[in-house]
Amino acid sequence: SQTIHQWPATLVQPVGSPLSLECTVEGTSNPNLYWYRQAAGRGLQLLFYSVGIGQISSEVPQNLSASRPQDRQFILSSKKLLLSDSGFYLCAGRSTPGGHLSAQYFGPGTRLLVL
Amino acid sequence: QKEVEQNSGPLSVPEGAIASLNCTYSDRGSQSFFWYRQYSGKSPELIMSIYSNGDKEDGRFTAQLNKASQYVSLLIRDSQPSDSATYLCAVYGGSQGNLIFGKGTKLSVKP
Repeated sequence: SQTIHQWPATLVQPVGSPLSLECTVEGTSNPNLYWYRQAAGRGLQLLFYSVGIGQISSEVPQNLSASRPQDRQFILSSKKLLLSDSGFYLCAGRSTPGGHLSAQYFGPGTRLLVL
Repeated sequence: QKEVEQNSGPLSVPEGAIASLNCTYSDRGSQSFFWYRQYSGKSPELIMSIYSNGDKEDGRFTAQLNKASQYVSLLIRDSQPSDSATYLCAVYGGSQGNLIFGKGTKLSVKP
């Protein structure tokens, strides 16, 4: 089964600083990868998804960007953080061979606080 | 736009009771349905998947699917305080293989 790794677990950053969150996947090849944000007490907001190396789709216009330099690596970045970027960032992966039968698994998440 | 609706709760049940969590979805063509549990401050974890009409049981959990009514539910028998969490319903929603999540139902099991 696949395992999703994320780091760091917690991050406190000043407004205007850059951001880089990394996610790596073990146990599967060519997964679909996802970045979500969850504001306190709110639902999951899909930010980006990727079906392969270099292929990124953005779900919402925002201050963030994503990259997939390797098959099992997914990076979320920002050049200048805003207060509204605070939240719980979750990376998720889904194996593709199973089609619609495949479940999605989440990493442990990064809690970001922008001050 | 494809949607997944859940009652936000909180749903409060006594220990040992059956907790019933409900979810409706808008896309009649949806084929796969998942339930996730999310403890406060933690990431969601998959607890059940269901693909065919009817019931699917796994331990104390039973998922029920009715595609005609576009309704999926999760029953938790013999609820324990450790079941207190937010339960997210997710539906496979389209050609890109993205799950569409409901906003979750918060369950509280009282000792």
